[in-house]
Amino acid sequence: DVKVTQSSRYLVKRTGEKVFLECVQDMDHENMFWYRQDPGLGLRLIYFSYDVKMKEKGDIPEGYSVSREKKERFSLILESASTNQTSMYLCASSSPRGVGQETQYFGPGTRLLVL
Amino acid sequence: DQQVKQNSPSLSVQEGRISILNCDYTNSMFDYFLWYKKYPAEGPTFLISISSIKDKNEDGRFTVFLNKSAKHLSLHIVPSQPGDSAVYFCAASASGGADGLTFGKGTHLIIQP
Repeated sequence: DVKVTQSSRYLVKRTGEKVFLECVQDMDHENMFWYRQDPGLGLRLIYFSYDVKMKEKGDIPEGYSVSREKKERFSLILESASTNQTSMYLCASSSPRGVGQETQYFGPGTRLLVL
Repeated sequence: DQQVKQNSPSLSVQEGRISILNCDYTNSMFDYFLWYKKYPAEGPTFLISISSIKDKNEDGRFTVFLNKSAKHLSLHIVPSQPGDSAVYFCAASASGGADGLTFGKGTHLIIQP
């Protein structure tokens, strides 16, 4: 079974703080992703990574950065947290099910509240 | 501009009947489609997928149908069970899923006893 874990389920931070969200997967997947989920907006892609030290911007990268120093770990960084970054953050990693068919498996999510 | 649309925010179905969840997309480059199920305070769980070279994929109680000409897909759940009550997200990718997924806003399915 694929296991994707996220370091915290709930987090409360103050405006301006630097925030680190950690994600670890144990299936040796090349690809890892960070999304945020907001009511009425579904899931939106923030950043993803194909390999160690590689990163690609998703649909809403502003205000975020990422780090992938090891294959199994993908970190999302909020350099200076703002209240509009209050959200549920979801990490995923992907495994190919066939040529051109990659299925993403999600962690349990981190609910971040920025005060 | 929403590329993946789930026009029904919620759907109520009686236990034992068929649940049909719909999804429309606008990007003709999408070639891989997935359905995820999500319970509150949990991450999405993968349910079933379909590649654009097929028009149907079945897995137990779940069947996904793809109509490429109409840019429409649907998820059928037969028979519906109480544990199926959750939010269902439709997702699509233009790269077989490798570059991240574009999600719809979700449909909240409620199974009534």
